[in-house]
Amino acid sequence: QKEVEQDPGPLSVPEGAIVSLNCTYSNSAFQYFMWYRQYSRKGPELLMYTYSSGNKEDGRFTAQVDKSSKYISLFIRDSQPSDSATYLCAMGSGANSKLTFGKGITLSVRP
Amino acid sequence: SAVISQKPSRDICQRGTSLTIQCQVDSQVTMMFWYRQQPGQSLTLIATANQGSEATYESGFVIDKFPISRPNLTFSTLTVSNMSPEDSSIYLCSVGGSSGNTIYFGEGSWLTVV
Repeated sequence: QKEVEQDPGPLSVPEGAIVSLNCTYSNSAFQYFMWYRQYSRKGPELLMYTYSSGNKEDGRFTAQVDKSSKYISLFIRDSQPSDSATYLCAMGSGANSKLTFGKGITLSVRP
Repeated sequence: SAVISQKPSRDICQRGTSLTIQCQVDSQVTMMFWYRQQPGQSLTLIATANQGSEATYESGFVIDKFPISRPNLTFSTLTVSNMSPEDSSIYLCSVGGSSGNTIYFGEGSWLTVV
């Protein structure tokens, strides 16, 4: 079993849809959970960061972490064509620790 | 967040040659990381660049192939040596945030080996 599994995609939704992106993991030591957005031919951009279990909201984006189930999610409300990108989940176990990434899912939001 | 600049942004390289990628950060950071992202794949950590000491390499990556320098707290280089087509990837420099719990990336260096 891989340390981090991410839904493979690709995912195509109409504009305005609610998008749910998910990752599961196996390493109980992970405490820091991040979502990155990567546009084509660009470096990953940190979108959301969460420590331990719980929810975090930032505008149209909500990150959820359930450590008991080893499951994290990113929700995008009122999705826009500009949200079309690859989304990567990443996890770390300590400050300045290396990150383990999911494979990424490519999202396309149709106008 | 830190501003991270990488050079070159892209290059086409001949098989058997070596290329050095530079990473400049606009603030002093303790740890810098080098990742590789092969086509259609996720990011894999190559090594952690420590200022004043040898880099720490991940399993599957060796210093002879990927020598790293870290002369000060704002700069690092990664060399991809004796390149083959399998080395065609995006190479990304990253640094920890001020809290130490977040990681920021540069724009990446896109290498194609022919």
